[in-house]
Amino acid sequence: DIQMTQSPSSVSASVGDRVTITCRASQGISSWLAWYQQKPGKAPKLLIYAASSLQSGVPSRFSGSGSGTDFTLTISSLQPEDFATYYCQQANSFLGITFGGGTKVEIK
Amino acid sequence: QVQLQESGPGLVKPSETLSLTCTVSGGSISGYYCNWIRQPPGKGLEWIGYISYSGSTNYNPSLKSRITMSIDTSKNQFSLKLNSVTAADTAVYYCATHIAVVGTENWGQGTLVTVSS
Repeated sequence: DIQMTQSPSSVSASVGDRVTITCRASQGISSWLAWYQQKPGKAPKLLIYAASSLQSGVPSRFSGSGSGTDFTLTISSLQPEDFATYYCQQANSFLGITFGGGTKVEIK
Repeated sequence: QVQLQESGPGLVKPSETLSLTCTVSGGSISGYYCNWIRQPPGKGLEWIGYISYSGSTNYNPSLKSRITMSIDTSKNQFSLKLNSVTAADTAVYYCATHIAVVGTENWGQGTLVTVSS
C-alpha cells in the first residue's frame, strides 16, 4: 500500500496569511496527487488534481506543486471561507486510492 | 452536473451486513470508477474500494475480506455490502465517482451508519 503522510495535522492562521500544507507519499506517485477541502458536515470538494491543476471554479489563491513523493498545497491569502480541513489523496485508482490524515486550518 | 445519493439503513446490528446503494443522476457512470469512502465521527477519510463500469473491483486491503461491491448500469446505481460489522464500522459513508489518476470529482452527501445493538 502507498501511505500518505500530511503535515501539520493542524495550523492556526489569520485572514490574509499564506498557508502551506505538505503531503509525502511512501513511494513515488508521479503527479497522481489530488487535494480536497472539507467543511463540517459536508462532503469533500476537489480543489487540485494532477498535483498542480486547479479544478474548475476553485479560486486561484489555491495552488499545488510537487511530484514523486513530496507535494504541497498553498493558500496564498487565507479567506474566512477557507477555514476547513484539507486532505491529500493518492489518486491513481489502479494502485488503490489513499488519503492523508488531514490538516485542519483554524482561526488564530 | 452528476449528482450522487446514498441510501440504506442508518442502524445496523453488530455481526450483521451493512448494505448501501448509490444512485447517480444527471449523467452516466460510464467511464468512472465508482467509489465508497467512509469517515468515522471526528476522524479522517478512508477509501473502501471501487467498482468500474465494466465490473472490475479494487478494494482496500484492510477491508477486502468483508466487502462486496456491485453495479447496475441500467439503473445507474452501484452498491456496497460490508459484512460482520462492528462498532468500528460506524461512520459517514460516501459514494463518489473517481476519474483514473485525476481525482474524486463527484460526491454524495454522505449517510451516517451506526453499528449498535
